[in-house]
Amino acid sequence: GDSVTQMEGPVTLSEEAFLTINCTYTATGYPSLFWYVQYPGEGLQLLLKATKADDKGSNKGFEATYRKETTSFHLEKGSVQVSDSAVYFCALSGTYNFNKFYFGSGTKLNVKP
Amino acid sequence: TAGITQAPTSQILAAGRSMTLRCTQDMRHNAMYWYRQDLGLGLRLIHYSNTAGTTGKGEVPDGYSVSRANTDDFPLTLASAVPSQTSVYFCASSDRAGTGELFFGEGSRLTVL
Repeated sequence: GDSVTQMEGPVTLSEEAFLTINCTYTATGYPSLFWYVQYPGEGLQLLLKATKADDKGSNKGFEATYRKETTSFHLEKGSVQVSDSAVYFCALSGTYNFNKFYFGSGTKLNVKP
Repeated sequence: TAGITQAPTSQILAAGRSMTLRCTQDMRHNAMYWYRQDLGLGLRLIHYSNTAGTTGKGEVPDGYSVSRANTDDFPLTLASAVPSQTSVYFCASSDRAGTGELFFGEGSRLTVL
């Protein structure tokens, strides 16, 4: 079945460092891929998405490219800020049932001043 | 814009008691979901509903029931709570005809003693 695997955390970085959070997926067909962010005490909110191969999603300085050949959707940011400290979830929606969403286990990011 | 409203925000419950977590959305989304979030396990789907009048089982449905009498409301009921149901519960919705993005509530923290 469909699934998402993302790197375990926590990830601790200094402000202005480069961020990569790895995400790989298993799916039949052509799923849509998402990154969600959860700030402390809040629900998840969409950070970015990509709906087909080679698409690049971007928002707030974060980027991720849908790589079908490597079944990956790694999250990157060139210069993190303290305000980026949160838990990041990779997710996909099923090709044949696009109302089914599958989440990774989440990666906690701590950014120190 | 309210989006998704969950209640209660937090609850402590004795084992064996019943409990209903409420979820209301004002976006007229067709699909609604209940997830539980546990440390290290990410989000796991409990039940979902593709449209009013229909429901389906997710990954971890045992011990939970849902109903979808109308588009806006999607309550989650624990008939006889057990300590393993201690978790943070998130309600979400999505527009099947739109972007596929999930919109989340703020969560309900439930502790079963």
